[in-house]
Amino acid sequence: EVQLVESGGGLVQPGGSLRLSCAASGFTVSSNYMSWVRQAPGKGLEWVSVIYSGGSTYYADSVKGRFTISRDNSKNTLYLQMNSLRAEDTAVYYCARAVAMVRGVIRYDAFDIWGQGTMVTVSS
Amino acid sequence: DIQMTQSPSSLSASVGDRVTITCRASQSISSYLNWYQQKPGKAPKLLIYAASSLQSGVPSRFSGSGSGTDFTLTISSLQPEDFATYYCQQSYSTLITFGPGTKVDIK
Repeated sequence: EVQLVESGGGLVQPGGSLRLSCAASGFTVSSNYMSWVRQAPGKGLEWVSVIYSGGSTYYADSVKGRFTISRDNSKNTLYLQMNSLRAEDTAVYYCARAVAMVRGVIRYDAFDIWGQGTMVTVSS
Repeated sequence: DIQMTQSPSSLSASVGDRVTITCRASQSISSYLNWYQQKPGKAPKLLIYAASSLQSGVPSRFSGSGSGTDFTLTISSLQPEDFATYYCQQSYSTLITFGPGTKVDIK
């Protein structure tokens, strides 16, 4: 079965750090591009970061310089290292797999598999 | 960054109604537009990719259209299980963005 399972969320003080994990099964993390998406309580979806199959990474301005996305191919796991956490980082964090859908000669990417989410609360 | 807007932000409808949600991008994104459905406490679910292609397993009452900057998600006959929040998302840029969402609830 193709699935993603996140872990590592919890309560952390402002300025603290946390590392989220996303274990994949049924497919290879390094063969797809993978993202983290978060959702603050009662709010909409916010894209956080992406890592491409080639290893390139990109970040939303709101987390750039504080968060780092990575993967461990041997463990087939995606990570999000979160440093200098702020109250506004409080959210459910989802990992998601992007699959390439080809229509004609054009490739389109969409998030077809999502984890169940892990809650991160930043509070003193 | 590409900004995404959606309208309306919420709507009330009855079972059997035809529902239309609009998504607009701040610049042309060709057909690099996806739609997701999210129910409370659950992860989003992909409905439509590339603006108009139905994801496998999604009922045919869902359809998408548009290109460039203006897009539409249509539910032809609203079913009880369709009450949820719907998000558009652009995949044109490496800096991915979602729309703010449209909540569809029961009238």
